[in-house]
Amino acid sequence: DAKTTQPTSMDCAEGRAANLPCNHSTISGNEYVYWYRQIHSQGPQYIIHGLKNNETNEMASLIITEDRKSSTLILPHATLRDTAVYYCIVAGGYGGSQGNLIFGKGTKLSVKP
Amino acid sequence: EAGVTQFPSHSVIEKGQTVTLRCDPISGHDNLYWYRRVMGKEIKFLLHFVKESKQDESGMPNNRFLAERTGGTYSTLKVQPAELEDSGVYFCASSQWTRQETQYFGPGTRLLVL
Repeated sequence: DAKTTQPTSMDCAEGRAANLPCNHSTISGNEYVYWYRQIHSQGPQYIIHGLKNNETNEMASLIITEDRKSSTLILPHATLRDTAVYYCIVAGGYGGSQGNLIFGKGTKLSVKP
Repeated sequence: EAGVTQFPSHSVIEKGQTVTLRCDPISGHDNLYWYRRVMGKEIKFLLHFVKESKQDESGMPNNRFLAERTGGTYSTLKVQPAELEDSGVYFCASSQWTRQETQYFGPGTRLLVL
């Protein structure tokens, strides 16, 4: 079973920031937080990952709380093409999944004009 | 750099027939994974190759599924004989050895068993 909890759906206005929350209260000390998304009819797409520090790349920012029990994925300027299901996945670390990603139900983000 | 490719994109077969799905990973990626999503369910892990060896096949549903990775390059997933419940989308992903969970997915093969 997935070790994360996410809202089922969210809406965001085009051009505004989309903030997608994720709870992972049972995360172990050496596990990472990964975010993937699946745009309709495509394969999942890697977005970003982090351990305990905030991370930013060309797609998004990842904010992880100090206790690491929750995180937020931020899309700074959402576009219609960001409409997708977003998955927060806890993985990796010693004795961890060794690459086996456990997908939950994710958050369906709808970006509206 | 070419991404992960999968063939065919769609397959429609009758119950009891055999189907073989192919995945070509990103060049140089030692790790190759198979996942699938059946109707209305979440994406589920099937198995993981490291080069030509099966690292983890705990997600394979039964012995009607056979995966191979010849020479550590492309992989095939054969379903024989296919059953109705095998219908779904089969995804392949690959990753570098040092970053196993940063996976690059192919577009998937949509399998429909009638």
